[in-house]
Amino acid sequence: SAVISQKPSRDICQRGTSLTIQCQVDSQVTMMFWYRQQPGQSLTLIATANQGSEATYESGFVIDKFPISRPNLTFSTLTVSNMSPEDSSIYLCSVEKGSGNYGYTFGSGTRLTVV
Amino acid sequence: DAKTTQPTSMDCAEGRAANLPCNHSTISGNEYVYWYRQIHSQGPQYIIHGLKNNETNEMASLIITEDRKSSTLILPHATLRDTAVYYCIVRVADAGGTSYGKLTFGQGTILTVHP
Repeated sequence: SAVISQKPSRDICQRGTSLTIQCQVDSQVTMMFWYRQQPGQSLTLIATANQGSEATYESGFVIDKFPISRPNLTFSTLTVSNMSPEDSSIYLCSVEKGSGNYGYTFGSGTRLTVV
Repeated sequence: DAKTTQPTSMDCAEGRAANLPCNHSTISGNEYVYWYRQIHSQGPQYIIHGLKNNETNEMASLIITEDRKSSTLILPHATLRDTAVYYCIVRVADAGGTSYGKLTFGQGTILTVHP
């Protein structure tokens, strides 16, 4: 199964600033997914990142607020821009494990607090 | 993906079987049932999946009704470490059970295992 390293694990940021979250996978994957989990809520998909193309954003999420990079098949970043306290959440990246391995693997998440 | 309905919360005594139900009455023929769980402060973890036959692995058993409109995840001997949010997800997969693309989470069932 894939192993995901997500950094940072947590951060406290000032409003108006930006934070970039990194997701490193130990094997090549086609798609990477970024989720947000607000306090006490389920996971909500932010966007899908394919290598070599623009990320596909879900309804309610825009590139200006959550720019994503996908420079190669093992790495992606999500930036939370111009942060406000409402952005305080856990952000998780995920990958498909691949053919023959049915579940998706998730990173351990980045716990973001905006003050 | 077909909509699923799960109870908000359930309790279980340690050492007893935990039976978590899921309704998916609009499931279509090529949709599989997947279960994930999220232990506090961790990313979701794949548990098991099935199409129409009952399935068992080292973590759990999955019982799917004959009409496939509902299923039950069984943790045969629940431990305190099984306390988590359990998500039932229905989605299209290939003949081997491998699915691709984004994964959509509902609210899940909060399972609390008590001593």
